[in-house]
Amino acid sequence: DSGVTQTPKHLITATGQRVTLRCSPRSGDLSVYWYQQSLDQGLQFLIQYYNGEERAKGNILERFSAQQFPDLHSELNLSSLELGDSALYFCASSGTSGDTQYFGPGTRLTVL
Amino acid sequence: AQSVTQLGSHVSVSEGALVLLRCNYSSSVPPYLFWYVQYPNQGLQLLLKYTTGATLVKGINGFEAEFKKSETSFHLTKPSAHMSDAAEYFCAVSGRGTYKYIFGTGTRLKVLA
Repeated sequence: DSGVTQTPKHLITATGQRVTLRCSPRSGDLSVYWYQQSLDQGLQFLIQYYNGEERAKGNILERFSAQQFPDLHSELNLSSLELGDSALYFCASSGTSGDTQYFGPGTRLTVL
Repeated sequence: AQSVTQLGSHVSVSEGALVLLRCNYSSSVPPYLFWYVQYPNQGLQLLLKYTTGATLVKGINGFEAEFKKSETSFHLTKPSAHMSDAAEYFCAVSGRGTYKYIFGTGTRLKVLA
């Protein structure tokens, strides 16, 4: 158990819909990262937040957005969903040294 | 820019045989290197990491890896494979000041009885 929690575990929705994925980092970790894992793209970095502020951005679509709240949990919002958004979405967190990320169990999103 | 190449998307070994999973990286800054393991329907678990210092790093479950700067490699080894090692293994690179990971495409390890 990494100490990172993600909800929900599974999510099934329809094209065009909007969903929110939630992540709680390990106790004391200020950084949260979001990754997408799909069969065709592999594991891709989406975005990083540090203590509430966006720190780095990767291959995140404009239809996707994220935020980190004062209690340090983070949410990833996916809107206007397409079939190709079906994937595993992982959250990871890291401490002040920043060099090691601990991953949550993931949320499997299925868009029908 | 950083990148990772994992040679061999599928590797099969016999139980008790040496495990060797290959990872080569490219990085414009001194790299941090990681190996993660993913079991079916689970998240990624850190096996080992190299940041600074000793170039031979030991991890969990008997795995180790050696950072070779001249070869830009960070291959993962285990002397004797166990059935429970069957999983997918990911190599990742990051660097000081840019902590996002760049992952390789993964290597699925199969252990034959």
